[in-house]
Amino acid sequence: GAVVSQHPSRVICKSGTSVKIECRSLDFQATTMFWYRQFPKQSLMLMATSNEGSKATYEQGVEKDKFLINHASLTLSTLTVTSAHPEDSSFYICSARDVGSGISTDTQYFGPGTRLTVL
Amino acid sequence: QKEVEQDPGPLSVPEGAIVSLNCTYSNSAFQYFMWYRQYSRKGPELLMYTYSSGNKEDGRFTAQVDKSSKYISLFIRDSQPSDSATYLCATSGGFQKLVFGTGTRLLVSP
Repeated sequence: GAVVSQHPSRVICKSGTSVKIECRSLDFQATTMFWYRQFPKQSLMLMATSNEGSKATYEQGVEKDKFLINHASLTLSTLTVTSAHPEDSSFYICSARDVGSGISTDTQYFGPGTRLTVL
Repeated sequence: QKEVEQDPGPLSVPEGAIVSLNCTYSNSAFQYFMWYRQYSRKGPELLMYTYSSGNKEDGRFTAQVDKSSKYISLFIRDSQPSDSATYLCATSGGFQKLVFGTGTRLLVSP
């Protein structure tokens, strides 16, 4: 159980284009999903918290107009990188909190990540 | 000072060794403690979860939390080459947002 998928796993795009990344909880409902960014050999940096049916909460320094987040259902959140530039190239990982797990309200299950390369 | 400190390694051990991975944290409000394993170019995988102080064992893995010293540990017994990965500690005060350590890279040689 507690499987999170991401699509695509890898994307290469030209500078100035927009890229959408999907995050799905496959076998549980997730009222809250999180989006992280990870640079090589560094830890995860939380970008935003996505709540189903409401606006995402962005961390300080993250441009909400550049990283558009939509959490339209209990199993799907999307991250759109708008007008991507080479400095946006990174590994983007989503996670989801299993509401019904009973383990911990803070336990997050992670997707496999999406590697974005902007040329 | 970072909220969670973790030695980045790499930590190199021979197969069969006992591995000790550690983190320290600064916020006494943290109550939930997790260890994640991340293979290269993959998402983190939840290994262990612990609430408050104490030990928790799952197979070859044991997680320890000492809230008095703000110290969390993960022990791996009979380490295998397949355990080679980056291990991330994470903690939270109960407000959903996890705070991660930088991760320790573990290399288990055959």
